[in-house]
Amino acid sequence: DTGVSQNPRHKITKRGQNVTFRCDPISEHNRLYWYRQTLGQGPEFLTYFQNEAQLEKSRLLSDRFSAERPKGSFSTLEIQRTEQGDSAMYLCASSHRSVPEEAFFGQGTRLTVV
Amino acid sequence: AQSVTQLDSQVPVFEEAPVELRCNYSSSVSVYLFWYVQYPNQGLQLLLKYLSGSTLVKGINGFEAEFNKSQTSFHLRKPSVHISDTAEYFCAVSLSGYSTLTFGKGTMLLVSP
Repeated sequence: DTGVSQNPRHKITKRGQNVTFRCDPISEHNRLYWYRQTLGQGPEFLTYFQNEAQLEKSRLLSDRFSAERPKGSFSTLEIQRTEQGDSAMYLCASSHRSVPEEAFFGQGTRLTVV
Repeated sequence: AQSVTQLDSQVPVFEEAPVELRCNYSSSVSVYLFWYVQYPNQGLQLLLKYLSGSTLVKGINGFEAEFNKSQTSFHLRKPSVHISDTAEYFCAVSLSGYSTLTFGKGTMLLVSP
């Protein structure tokens, strides 16, 4: 197992366009998390899934953001009508039911909205 | 709600010197505490965690941290740093029984020869 995988690593998009990111968690990890990290800040929680169920969403997750985990494996995060303020690193993490507190992070997708 | 304060945004240190990165948290209930390291353009790697038990926790790469409940602190220490320890370090907290993390703003450790 190679860890949490995120694609793409970098994305440049024009304001107003839609973007979608993918996260493949470590196999057999039932929990999957999305965080956002802006320059000079620590990661901020966006949402998390237990298997295919989305159990919690942060107030940071506006209506333009949607996340899915259709079969309890990989997850996608879509941002509609991107704004310059959406420019950030989007991090995905996963954890196993036996040690749910121990989250393993992917390398992130860096989004730049121009 | 819980919060994390990392008192230093940057800590410069010479190679082979000891270092302490400070972290304080606030929470009205029991918490779990973590330190993560982030190298440039990389994700976060778990250094160590405190869930319960011994207040002195040892992690990877020679780092350790001590949980102090009365001072609500979880400072990270290393007796002798290497150039390769140059990175951003994040302290994080989660509520007991929950797995979502609240992070501090990070401390940039700059190790020079």
